[in-house]
Amino acid sequence: QVHLVQSGAEVKKSGASVRVSCKASGYTFTSHGISWVRQAPGQGLEWMGWITANSGSTNYAQALQGRVTMTTDTSTSTAYMELRSLRSDDTAVYYCARVDYDSSGFHYWGQGTLVTVSS
Amino acid sequence: QSALTQPASVSGSPGQSITISCTGTSSDVGGYKYVSWYQQHPGKAPKLVIYDVIKRPSGVSNRFSGSKSANTASLTISGLQAEDEADYYCSSYTSSSTYVFGTGTKVTVL
Repeated sequence: QVHLVQSGAEVKKSGASVRVSCKASGYTFTSHGISWVRQAPGQGLEWMGWITANSGSTNYAQALQGRVTMTTDTSTSTAYMELRSLRSDDTAVYYCARVDYDSSGFHYWGQGTLVTVSS
Repeated sequence: QSALTQPASVSGSPGQSITISCTGTSSDVGGYKYVSWYQQHPGKAPKLVIYDVIKRPSGVSNRFSGSKSANTASLTISGLQAEDEADYYCSSYTSSSTYVFGTGTKVTVL
């Protein structure tokens, strides 16, 4: 079965960078994309962007352009999300989710990674 | 890209039906058959309950159904059960090849 396993919680200072990983198993990694979604404490879901696992093409949410980079390592079936110049309002749980190219909806999600940004 | 608009809360008694609306624009909800709905219990990852406007993933109860008219999509939960109490989010593909989520709706079972 499909599993997305994310890296552990992180605590970062304002201005630093964080990289969260998402290791996929149970399917052909290069046949799907990976989207990243975050959720600040007590807030709603925010779509951050997505990457096609085979070609590495990306599309980011406008609000994060210039601060976020998504990559994949097909040799380990792992996706990465790096967020730079962290601010306190980047404190959130970050989720990866599998993208299916022939339908909408994120059918599979990682367990989430809490990133806490402190000053 | 602005978030899609959902009511902040909806409530119903066990056995009743409730409907959650999700309003966007012609550049997202109205322009594509790519609307999905997620259920999220506290402290858990979201779970897909509807995709492509009307389709239900395997294993999701047939008490969940979706529809769309113009720029507004809807999720209906029939035969409301205590376990349905959760937050619900809609999402749509957009004309910018991005996705956008709704503001979220808290469903309370009275």
